Formats: sequence, C-alpha cells, structure tokens
Amino acid sequence: DVKVTQSSRYLVKRTGEKVFLECVQDMDHENMFWYRQDPGLGLRLIYFSYDVKMKEKGDIPEGYSVSREKKERFSLILESASTNQTSMYLCAASLAEGTEAFFGQGTRLTVV
Amino acid sequence: GENVEQHPSTLSVQEGDSAVIKCTYSDSASNYFPWYKQELGKRPQLIIDIRSNVGEKKDQRIAVTLNKTAKHFSLHITETQPEDSAVYFCAANSPGDFGNEKLTFGTGTRLTIIP
Repeated sequence: DVKVTQSSRYLVKRTGEKVFLECVQDMDHENMFWYRQDPGLGLRLIYFSYDVKMKEKGDIPEGYSVSREKKERFSLILESASTNQTSMYLCAASLAEGTEAFFGQGTRLTVV
Repeated sequence: GENVEQHPSTLSVQEGDSAVIKCTYSDSASNYFPWYKQELGKRPQLIIDIRSNVGEKKDQRIAVTLNKTAKHFSLHITETQPEDSAVYFCAANSPGDFGNEKLTFGTGTRLTIIP
C-alpha cells in the first residue's frame, strides 16, 4: 500500500508565525495535493503539484504557498498564520491522472 | 473551474435499508469520479470509482452510476450495516494538458445507520 505521511498530527501556532506542514509519500507518485477540511465545507483544494517544482493553485490558495523540491515531498507553507487557518489539513498523492488518491493521516492545526 | 455539489449533507437509514448519495459536477472534461469514505478520526479512503466510459459499476453492496449527459453520479449502498456509518465524499477530476490533474471533492454526506 502507498504510504503518505504528514509530519505532525497536531500543531498549535501563534498568529503571524510561519508554519510548515510536511508531507512525504513512498511510492514515486506524480501528483500530490493539499486540502483543508472544515465541517460542512468538505475537502477544499489549496494547491496541487504534478511534478517536481511544478505547482498549481487550487480553489483556496490565498495565504498559502507550497514547495516540491523532491518528488516524494510536498510542503504547505503558511507565510503568516491567521486564526481563520485553524483547520484539519490533509495531504494526498496519486500515481497519475485518473487514479486513486491516497491520503495522509491529517494535521490538525490550531492558530491562537 | 470544477464545481462538485453533493446531497444530502446528512442521511439516516435503518439497518438493512438502502442509502443513495448524489453528486453533480460542472466540468465536461471530467472523466474520473471516485467515492471516499471517512470514518471518525481517520483519513478518507477510496471505496469505489468510475470512469466516463462506463455507466455503472458494482462492488458487492456498493454501486456507482454515472450520467455524463446530465453531469451527475450517485453512490448506492444496499443492505446497510452499522459499519457503513461514516462521512462519504464524491469527487471529480479536471484533466490538465500536462498531467496537471485537479481533484475536486463534494462537501460530504454524513451517513448514520440506525440499528
């Protein structure tokens, strides 16, 4: 099975801090995604990447950036954390177009 | 961009009855439609998917139907059991020109099976 691992399960940060959420996959998958999950809003796409150094904005990219320097690692960066970024963040990876996306265990971020 | 709408947001059914969850999508280029199940405190996991060249797919008690003309697809669970209680998400892809596929999810359906 594909393993997608997020660096932290729970994280508490202060407003204005720069926050890094890390995601690593072990199956050489091309596509990686970052979603945030909020009650009643489902999974909303923040950014996605289809190759090393290639990235595209999702539906809610404001306040976020990403980095993919190596194929197996996709990082989500909150340049200056705000309380409205308190959420569950999920990373996912898929082999190619039209294939199953495997999710990480999620990082629950609280910004105080 | 792609817009995926999912209904209902909550659904309660008696154990043994059937459950149906419906989704619509907007991108006519979408060709892959997965369904994910998320149990409490766990990550979403794929339960079934369908591609645009197929109208229906079954896997034991779970089936998915796709109507490309109307741009809607549905999940059907028959003979529901308590372990089917979870949040279900539909999704649709937006293929890109360079393999830059976007995967958009619906807002989820909380399914509760009443014993």
